[in-house]
Amino acid sequence: TQLLEQSPQFLSIQEGENLTVYCNSSSVFSSLQWYRQEPGEGPVLLVTVVTGGEVKKLKRLTFQFGDARKDSSLHITAAQPGDTGLYLCAVSNYQLIWGAGTKLIIKP
Amino acid sequence: DAGVTQSPTHLIKTRGQQVTLRCSPKSGHDTVSWYQQALGQGPQFIFQYYEEEERQRGNFPDRFSGHQFPNYSSELNVNAVLLGDSALYLCASSQTWSYGYTFGSGTRLTVV
Repeated sequence: TQLLEQSPQFLSIQEGENLTVYCNSSSVFSSLQWYRQEPGEGPVLLVTVVTGGEVKKLKRLTFQFGDARKDSSLHITAAQPGDTGLYLCAVSNYQLIWGAGTKLIIKP
Repeated sequence: DAGVTQSPTHLIKTRGQQVTLRCSPKSGHDTVSWYQQALGQGPQFIFQYYEEEERQRGNFPDRFSGHQFPNYSSELNVNAVLLGDSALYLCASSQTWSYGYTFGSGTRLTVV
């Protein structure tokens, strides 16, 4: 059983649509990070959320940390082909513990 | 400001050979972690180095070893590589007790 469960595993939508990716756990975390990874590249940190209920916005991306700090979501508004990639959530405890990722494809 | 630099970018090895991967951390970072990422999966933690010592280790066999140098750069060594070792190997650097990790572009290892 994975510590972090991400859903959906795969999502293919048309440009302009909205989408939400989820990262869930039964454990409580002091913080949670979201990364985006393109093929053949390392993950790039998008955001770190630390406070229960926290909402952070990064242009068309909205990140939310659950009130109980057990889950998080990433919402993309008006998705663009440039948003295509693997989205990973992770928690830090000396090492980064990762979800399996959501592979997102935005079709023009 | 250079981020994390990994070399080589690609490597092809025959089963049983030994490989060495290299990582230069981001300026100001003193902690280096190594991850293995199979195709279509999230990264798996191999180990972390701080002050030239292995601080934490994931569930990887002893064939995987590492080293950190006084300038904070690091090496990952894999002895007697297996077909299953084929993956993208990622190096991440950070400042101790910091949330933020910076990743390199990785080394793609193919074992044939």
